[in-house]
Amino acid sequence: GENVEQHPSTLSVQEGDSAVIKCTYSDSASNYFPWYKQELGKGPQLIIDIRSNVGEKKDQRIAVTLNKTAKHFSLHITETQPEDSAVYFCAARFNYGQNFVFGPGTRLSVLP
Amino acid sequence: NAGVTQTPKFRILKIGQSMTLQCAQDMNHNYMYWYRQDPGMGLKLIYYSVGAGITDKGEVPNGYNVSRSTTEDFPLRLELAAPSQTSVYFCASSQLAGSTDTQYFGPGTRLTVL
Repeated sequence: GENVEQHPSTLSVQEGDSAVIKCTYSDSASNYFPWYKQELGKGPQLIIDIRSNVGEKKDQRIAVTLNKTAKHFSLHITETQPEDSAVYFCAARFNYGQNFVFGPGTRLSVLP
Repeated sequence: NAGVTQTPKFRILKIGQSMTLQCAQDMNHNYMYWYRQDPGMGLKLIYYSVGAGITDKGEVPNGYNVSRSTTEDFPLRLELAAPSQTSVYFCASSQLAGSTDTQYFGPGTRLTVL
């Protein structure tokens, strides 16, 4: 079946440094790739997304890049702050339906 | 707007009991989803619906049932609860319109089956 891998599973960075999380997907027909942030005890919240016809998207300190040929996409967070500490999930939409598959998550800790 | 609401927040069931997890959204979204999240894991899609009266299975549908009689509500039914169904359940909704299809998640229901 469809699969999304995500690395690393945990990531610790010093405040102000950058953080990069990478995901790979199995279905070359996937066309939409959202990233979610989940804080303790809450539901996931969309932070940025990218479609298959775009290579990069940026929103302030957050950016996402997509390499369709290699079937991987990455989340980049610059100038990290303690409030960025959370679990981050990538996801891919398979078929042009609503069947989303999520990666296993990355626990990001930003150390002051 | 309340967004996506879920009830109850917490529930403990005994093996073999049944229950319904409620989900409602007030954003007039056509698409609704149920996910489960096991400890330290990502979300797995149980069922989804693309509109009232239409539902489809996701990755892990066994042991669950859904219905969608209105646009707003998408309840998830557990029959004969089993310990393997201990998880946090999230409901979500989205509206595919142009370039927008963001999923909005509810706060979750933490279910324990003993």
